[in-house]
Amino acid sequence: AQTVTQSQPEMSVQEAETVTLSCTYDTSESDYYLFWYKQPPSRQMILVIRQEAYKQQNATENRFSVNFQKAAKSFSLKISDSQLGDAAMYFCAYRSPTYNFNKFYFGSGTKLNVKP
Amino acid sequence: GAGVSQSPSNKVTEKGKDVELRCDPISGHTALYWYRQSLGQGLEFLIYFQGNSAPDKSGLPSDRFSAERTGGSVSTLTIQRTQQEDSAVYLCASSLVPDSYQPQHFGDGTRLSIL
Repeated sequence: AQTVTQSQPEMSVQEAETVTLSCTYDTSESDYYLFWYKQPPSRQMILVIRQEAYKQQNATENRFSVNFQKAAKSFSLKISDSQLGDAAMYFCAYRSPTYNFNKFYFGSGTKLNVKP
Repeated sequence: GAGVSQSPSNKVTEKGKDVELRCDPISGHTALYWYRQSLGQGLEFLIYFQGNSAPDKSGLPSDRFSAERTGGSVSTLTIQRTQQEDSAVYLCASSLVPDSYQPQHFGDGTRLSIL
């Protein structure tokens, strides 16, 4: 089965600074989908950004961007101009289009603290 | 509503009692997932429903856990003879398939506390 690893249990960033959260995964597939989700204290998981593996261009969504390194099986999330509202748990997720079709695999999460 | 709805938001019950957790997915979403999230932990996959196919129950931790999805819409997760280690937040998500690029949409979860 695919595994997703987030090696940073907790990180801190100063407001307005940039922070990068790491995510690596293990797969033998060539085509797949990657996602970053945010979970604030309110508990609801919110999609932050997503990436298709066959696209070489890194996805961006406003202050959020990814560094997708397919060969290294790495999918890091960069948050620019960090805001207090960015404080949350962040989860990386992998989705296979073939193996266990539509099953999502989540990492253990990174807790992001934003300091004013 | 427009999002995934879960009820109750919070549930406190005594050890040994049965509990039922409800999930109402987004209309038109054929895939439905249940996850368990213990305090400060990641998401633990429990069960997955896709249309009329047999559910993927590979994540259910014991035979005390069961789930059903009636009419391809609302799902109920049942925990029988609850134990203290069942205390967690139970999250439900739905997804529009078969496009694998579609993300999961999550509910607010049910916080289950076993006394």
